[in-house]
Amino acid sequence: KAGVTQTPRYLIKTRGQQVTLSCSPISGHRSVSWYQQTPGQGLQFLFEYFSETQRNKGNFPGRFSGRQFSNSRSEMNVSTLELGDSALYLCASSQSNTEAFFGQGTRLTVV
Amino acid sequence: AQSVTQLDSQVPVFEEAPVELRCNYSSSVSVYLFWYVQYPNQGLQLLLKYLSGSTLVKGINGFEAEFNKSQTSFHLRKPSVHISDTAEYFCAVSSKRGSTLGRLYFGRGTQLTVWP
Repeated sequence: KAGVTQTPRYLIKTRGQQVTLSCSPISGHRSVSWYQQTPGQGLQFLFEYFSETQRNKGNFPGRFSGRQFSNSRSEMNVSTLELGDSALYLCASSQSNTEAFFGQGTRLTVV
Repeated sequence: AQSVTQLDSQVPVFEEAPVELRCNYSSSVSVYLFWYVQYPNQGLQLLLKYLSGSTLVKGINGFEAEFNKSQTSFHLRKPSVHISDTAEYFCAVSSKRGSTLGRLYFGRGTQLTVWP
């Protein structure tokens, strides 16, 4: 069974641009969550999607948005990029409330 | 809301020595508890989890953790570490409520470095 796939693995963007990250969950998993990991703030929850609906949202500005498609694949978008958005973005998929499986992450660098 | 405190940011230890990584949590509701490991430039891998029942939980790679409700702790232990255990370890909690996992609250991580 394939794991959680995140694309791309690495991205370099310029301040002010926007970016879209993609996450394909494990087959059969309908819940996808996103986290931002930085040295300063650690692992912070962005949002959770289940069956195309946002179920939970973390404390991030409106520049951060996401969506989930009918095949459970998810994308997150960050608009008007800032230097502080440089981070490892992790996607996790789950099929129950007792376990989450993480992808390898997308390393975003904003210059 | 929940919060997690990992008491040590760095733990150096020699190979084949025992190790304990400490984790305390705070929550007003019942929680599930997790330990994840992260190798450089990788995602998070689940080591073990406590859902209910026996307070001693065994995980992968020889790790185990003990849930102590009165002390709100979930410390991770390994009796004999290897060089390959060098990584960052994260303790996390989630609320038992809800049909989905919801939000995981993570500690700041403990960097375990195993020296030969």
